[in-house]
Amino acid sequence: DGGITQSPKYLFRKEGQNVTLSCEQNLNHDAMYWYRQDPGQGLRLIYYSQIVNDFQKGDIAEGYSVSREKKESFPLTVTSAQKNPTAFYLCASSMRREPSTDTQYFGPGTRLTVL
Amino acid sequence: SQQGEEDPQALSIQEGENATMNCSYKTSINNLQWYRQNSGRGLVHLILIRSNEREKHSGRLRVTLDTSKKSSSLLITASRAADTASYFCATALRGYDMRFGAGTRLTVKP
Repeated sequence: DGGITQSPKYLFRKEGQNVTLSCEQNLNHDAMYWYRQDPGQGLRLIYYSQIVNDFQKGDIAEGYSVSREKKESFPLTVTSAQKNPTAFYLCASSMRREPSTDTQYFGPGTRLTVL
Repeated sequence: SQQGEEDPQALSIQEGENATMNCSYKTSINNLQWYRQNSGRGLVHLILIRSNEREKHSGRLRVTLDTSKKSSSLLITASRAADTASYFCATALRGYDMRFGAGTRLTVKP
């Protein structure tokens, strides 16, 4: 999956808990992204980061938080404020800061289930 | 919100046949990309076609783009069972704003 790792592969959360999904890349890419995928649907952008210590909200950021303290790492926290967190979460990166001109490389995904 | 919409939603063919998937979009774009996703895995980039290009080839893949009709097609020739996957188009106008469709689920029967 192109030098991007996500962990864990499966994650179970009780209602009211915060959980953090890990995303690491060794591609020396500037930009990183988090997407959510629901069954039978396309990807929806949660957050993206073009550079260390900077990130922007995507279409569905409510109930999620991120940090970008290192170029290689872009963890996503799913908070208890996210009403329907059960989904497949995909992390991606791209060399340039504008994915519209560049290929995105995706990690293998984390499947989050709320019990 | 989704920008690209793939058609058909599902496609089932025999090994050796060609598979054609279509993508329609609503607004002007900078480029259009096709990605593949095996079940439960991440997406893999297949091909990028820019708005000033009409056709592009990569191995058994052929992509066309018609900006006047706001549509693109992905043709996989001589399909194999290993081509079984979901295929997504993603459109981009500028910046981070890439939009993915819901995908076409392709099944290639051996």
